[in-house]
Amino acid sequence: SQQGEEDPQALSIQEGENATMNCSYKTSINNLQWYRQNSGRGLVHLILIRSNEREKHSGRLRVTLDTSKKSSSLLITASRAADTASYFCATDSGYGGSQGNLIFGKGTKLSVKP
Amino acid sequence: SQTIHQWPATLVQPVGSPLSLECTVEGTSNPNLYWYRQAAGRGLQLLFYSVGIGQISSEVPQNLSASRPQDRQFILSSKKLLLSDSGFYLCAWAPGEGRNQPQHFGDGTRLSIL
Repeated sequence: SQQGEEDPQALSIQEGENATMNCSYKTSINNLQWYRQNSGRGLVHLILIRSNEREKHSGRLRVTLDTSKKSSSLLITASRAADTASYFCATDSGYGGSQGNLIFGKGTKLSVKP
Repeated sequence: SQTIHQWPATLVQPVGSPLSLECTVEGTSNPNLYWYRQAAGRGLQLLFYSVGIGQISSEVPQNLSASRPQDRQFILSSKKLLLSDSGFYLCAWAPGEGRNQPQHFGDGTRLSIL
């Protein structure tokens, strides 16, 4: 079953604009991760944020986590055409010694127009 | 540095035929290994994971099986493919020690069943 649900399903912006994607989940978590997938390729890990962290930055990426609302957001600032991809959130609930198993959302398809 | 190899990139198989997809990891020892399936426009569904040689856990009942004959080799198999087995199959690895680790994905195998 899907734990994380991204919103919106699709997002189209102009180069230079910021892109914000949201993720909601249902159960308590150890961490939440964001991944990017270019069309027809594997997923690339972007950021991992632990349940006791509220915000994390990596280059043009900013991730926030609100465990009280069971939600996270990914902000890409000053977007580029190369940022065009699908973005997925994934949660590690840690139940039953699951060895870091992740549950992925359906993703947000981001299109950045030059 | 660690790398993950997955092959073939694409595969077209008739219904009822057998399947063998292979995934190997280099540059690390005792990784956790994962097989996912991604339906078109959907998130990833975890099929199998392994924490060591010969140790396989299945997340969903299905027509597929997995094996880990060596530390860094993970194989996805089927004796008789069904139409519903079509999809994009992704292998991933994560460090075996500790929690809160990102997963690293191969480039996937696109499987079409005719």
